[in-house]
Amino acid sequence: GESVGLHLPTLSVQEGDNSIINCAYSNSASDYFIWYKQESGKGPQFIIDIRSNMDKRQGQRVTVLLNKTVKHLSLQIAATQPGDSAVYFCAENRGRNNDMRFGAGTRLTVKP
Amino acid sequence: AAGVIQSPRHLIKEKRETATLKCYPIPRHDTVYWYQQGPGQDPQFLISFYEKMQSDKGSIPDRFSAQQFSDYHSELNMSSLELGDSALYFCASSFRGEAQQYFGPGTRLTVL
Repeated sequence: GESVGLHLPTLSVQEGDNSIINCAYSNSASDYFIWYKQESGKGPQFIIDIRSNMDKRQGQRVTVLLNKTVKHLSLQIAATQPGDSAVYFCAENRGRNNDMRFGAGTRLTVKP
Repeated sequence: AAGVIQSPRHLIKEKRETATLKCYPIPRHDTVYWYQQGPGQDPQFLISFYEKMQSDKGSIPDRFSAQQFSDYHSELNMSSLELGDSALYFCASSFRGEAQQYFGPGTRLTVL
């Protein structure tokens, strides 16, 4: 399953499928990006980051892709599990004292 | 591993009252950030401190103030509370201005 555009708030996928969550960022000067996972009632939790001098970075079951030309970021989750159900935020570091600006979150729901 | 500690976890106040939220960063972290997250919204950056000095300011209302103390803990003071101040308030910390921030569990403020 895939979220399209910045304002699609929900994504529902079947357990075991791959998920793709998209994010558009606003500032071409941003040099660092983070994907956060936020479960209900908890603080955002770091998933993976990428610097602007990279196009792709892989973690455990997650991959982040950065397209600077169109200012687009995506998070790919392989073999999505029920524990992946949460709201996912992309955040950009605008290069000023590291304050992170969050994009609108996407709620991922994994159906068993 | 030690995480960011926030207190209280829940706070109920009435309009026009004041509130003080506390944040204790991860040991050795010298940078603290405050975020406000309204219901169903993404976290909004309020203010940050590095080595006890304000380092950046976001969308923090004039009714709010914050400071970082010599032990690096921070307090967010909120006066003349309004209904719209009801939100989750997150504190995050980082080390020497590193971009990766670690979030606390948040304080849920309800203004009646």
